[in-house]
Amino acid sequence: AQKVTQAQTEISVVEKEDVTLDCVYETRDTTYYLFWYKQPPSGELVFLIRRNSFDEQNEISGRYSWNFQKSTSSFNFTITASQVVDSAVYFCALSRGGSQGNLIFGKGTKLSVKP
Amino acid sequence: DGGITQSPKYLFRKEGQNVTLSCEQNLNHDAMYWYRQDPGQGLRLIYYSQIVNDFQKGDIAEGYSVSREKKESFPLTVTSAQKNPTAFYLCASRRRDRGALDTEAFFGQGTRLTVV
Repeated sequence: AQKVTQAQTEISVVEKEDVTLDCVYETRDTTYYLFWYKQPPSGELVFLIRRNSFDEQNEISGRYSWNFQKSTSSFNFTITASQVVDSAVYFCALSRGGSQGNLIFGKGTKLSVKP
Repeated sequence: DGGITQSPKYLFRKEGQNVTLSCEQNLNHDAMYWYRQDPGQGLRLIYYSQIVNDFQKGDIAEGYSVSREKKESFPLTVTSAQKNPTAFYLCASRRRDRGALDTEAFFGQGTRLTVV
């Protein structure tokens, strides 16, 4: 069975702090994909990143970075120098490869960045 | 602009009524999905469709029904059999990439359903 665990329900930081959101996944597939989404108060989920199981390189995009470690089945997300606009609920998701993939979501982490 | 449109944004239902949530996409995506979001529960899959005229139950399909008569449209009906329908409903779509459904999903803005 596939499962995604986001153990941190809520995180509160002060602006300019760095923050890491944890994501641990379970799957028996050898080919799979991992995703992060941001859900601002407006409600729509915004896609942030997609990573396949064969690519363990870390990725950086501006203040965002992702650390993928197959050995620990983790795909953590770090925001550097957080800003108030980063306040949102962040979801990690897992999809098997191939033609039957569905997106399985974690329960989300609510990040509050205070000025 | 391409995207997914959900309507209405807010919907109120009396107990015992069926209501239908609309989801339309102009992205030419093959697959469409309905998720339900409750506080602290993440997104749970209700139904999904990978091709026109075919759909499959997700994890929490009881009390819901769908149809996929057109590629662009995937309406969700919340029936009176759904005992606790108050929630935020999200529709999503994905394209096939060389036959594989492993691309990112695009989401609509959601419909907030309240039973009154």
